[in-house]
Amino acid sequence: EVQLLESGGGLVQPGGSLRLSCVVTGLTLSSYAMSWVRQAPGKGLEWVSAISGSGGDTYYADSVKGRFTISRDNSKNTLYLQMHSLRAEDTAVYFCAKDTTTFLTFAYFDYWGQGTLVTVSS
Amino acid sequence: DIQMTQSPSTLSASVGDRVIITCRASQSISDWLAWYQQKPGKAPKLLIYKASTLEGGVPSRFSGSGSGTEFTLTISSLQPDDFATYYCQQYHSYWTFGQGTKVEIK
Repeated sequence: EVQLLESGGGLVQPGGSLRLSCVVTGLTLSSYAMSWVRQAPGKGLEWVSAISGSGGDTYYADSVKGRFTISRDNSKNTLYLQMHSLRAEDTAVYFCAKDTTTFLTFAYFDYWGQGTLVTVSS
Repeated sequence: DIQMTQSPSTLSASVGDRVIITCRASQSISDWLAWYQQKPGKAPKLLIYKASTLEGGVPSRFSGSGSGTEFTLTISSLQPDDFATYYCQQYHSYWTFGQGTKVEIK
């Protein structure tokens, strides 16, 4: 059974940093591209960042470009999202999501984690 | 950037009703469209991909249609478990979600 489990969320002050993790079990992580998707309280879904199966290619939404870095350690079956210069508008539940392809050729997400809440506030 | 617009934003319906949700893309996305269901406090669940292909395990009362810029999600006979928020997502160029359609009890 495929499972994704996020961790690392919490309360951080504006301008601060946080690193999210997503441990994936039940599959060979290197075979799949992965994404982070966020959902602000009471709002819809917003794609944040994606990474190819090898980690060699990455994409970012304009709203986080230059502040967030996506990475992965396939030997640990773990996806990461390093977030810097956090703003109040980054407050959201962050989901990791599994792509159905290895390369960043744009595909849908067939498995999602339960999410981890990031709150940016002083 | 491709924008996705869903309608309606909220839909009130009764068990047994036929429900139709519309999703419009700002430019042609062929059939690179998925539909997800999300319940409060839970992760989104994939229902349909490639506009009309039902994900394994999803009840057959769900169906999708459309191509280009106009798409629909139909629930043929609404069940109690179907009250949720539904999102369309384009994956033609990067990924963009619609704003969501909440299906609530009438």
